[in-house]
Amino acid sequence: DTGVSQNPRHKITKRGQNVTFRCDPISEHNRLYWYRQTLGQGPEFLTYFQNEAQLEKSRLLSDRFSAERPKGSFSTLEIQRTEQGDSAMYLCASSLGLTGVEETQYFGPGTRLLVL
Amino acid sequence: ILNVEQSPQSLHVQEGDSTNFTCSFPSSNFYALHWYRWETAKSPEALFVMTLNGDEKKKGRISATLNTKEGYSYLYIKGSQPEDSATYLCALDNYGQNFVFGPGTRLSVLP
Repeated sequence: DTGVSQNPRHKITKRGQNVTFRCDPISEHNRLYWYRQTLGQGPEFLTYFQNEAQLEKSRLLSDRFSAERPKGSFSTLEIQRTEQGDSAMYLCASSLGLTGVEETQYFGPGTRLLVL
Repeated sequence: ILNVEQSPQSLHVQEGDSTNFTCSFPSSNFYALHWYRWETAKSPEALFVMTLNGDEKKKGRISATLNTKEGYSYLYIKGSQPEDSATYLCALDNYGQNFVFGPGTRLSVLP
């Protein structure tokens, strides 16, 4: 399968614990995005990478959140000291990363996080 | 702050009915609009990328139109089938930096 993959698909954790999610983009894609989706809302942008460089972060990304893409391939999203409000679907997407061209973002199936 | 709205929030139709939903967005500084279909437990699937005022795109029984001057796009499904049941999302392309999604329209097609 050459699509975007995310692991784990589901995560249940207790408040205060740290969690880490992984995203593997489509192999030739230079851009990687993270979004968060809560019930009744559309996905909300968190951050994106161009290769290994993190180019933009949303104000939704508090200091408890950190994202990395160390070799410009897979990415991890870590949430420290989780809170119940962090419960959401975390989506990853990737695109070729061409400038000046409207590009489709290809999404993974998401990681559903539940913080108890 | 960009705001994208979609209506209706949810919709139930009978198999064979045709239906349509609306995506509204700010008309100034428009770059591109994307439509996605998101079935439960699957990845959001890209349907259309729309860029020019008056654009019409078609994929099987699904089509979309774009009016950038008044800030709306319509998605049409002709002869709905149960497999069309999904959440349909539109997203405003913020000059390639990120997408601003609407809340989605949840479609249920009853057999």
